[in-house]
Amino acid sequence: EPEVTQTPSHQVTQMGQEVILRCVPISNHLYFYWYRQILGQKVEFLVSFYNNEISEKSEIFDDQFSVERPDGSNFTLKIRSTKLEDSAMYFCARGQGENTGELFFGEGSRLTVL
Amino acid sequence: AQSVTQPDIHITVSEGASLELRCNYSYGATPYLFWYVQSPGQGLQLLLKYFSGDTLVQGIKGFEAEFKRSQSSFNLRKPSVHWSDAAEYFCAVGHYYGGATNKLIFGTGTLLAVQP
Repeated sequence: EPEVTQTPSHQVTQMGQEVILRCVPISNHLYFYWYRQILGQKVEFLVSFYNNEISEKSEIFDDQFSVERPDGSNFTLKIRSTKLEDSAMYFCARGQGENTGELFFGEGSRLTVL
Repeated sequence: AQSVTQPDIHITVSEGASLELRCNYSYGATPYLFWYVQSPGQGLQLLLKYFSGDTLVQGIKGFEAEFKRSQSSFNLRKPSVHWSDAAEYFCAVGHYYGGATNKLIFGTGTLLAVQP
């Protein structure tokens, strides 16, 4: 059973549309992350989220991206106006309770922007 | 800047043969090092990690890795590969901010194929 459940597993959208990717951790943790992997490229850090606030974000995480944890459980990544280059696998991850360093990843959400 | 290099993009080994996947890192302090495996269509699964102490660490599925500070390396090994080990393997270094965040920096991955 995965540590983190992500939905949808695959989403196809038109350029310019808004997309929301969801992540549900099984246990109640404070540290959450989004990473993405463009096909054939390395896994890249997008954003970290601690105690309901963004703690760090990468250069990739520009104004069209946002994260929130609206109900204290689901952790969402929103892309306001998708571009072709947003096509990637997006991974949610959670940290350990004391943030010992290791991350536990979900199975990913594949986003295809047409 | 922190970085991770996996020099082998693709490796093919025969089932039962030994395996070594290379990983070199660049990091200013003592690194936290990880190996993750990604099977087709799956997420990233943690194989093993190094934080401190014994430089030879054991992981799941019979994998081990050795941290060599002098060589800035953290190579992954397995004495006898099974067909189910075919997957992509990622080395990562953790940049730990001491409670606020931990950002993993990944290498580009090594795709392992296993021949019968």
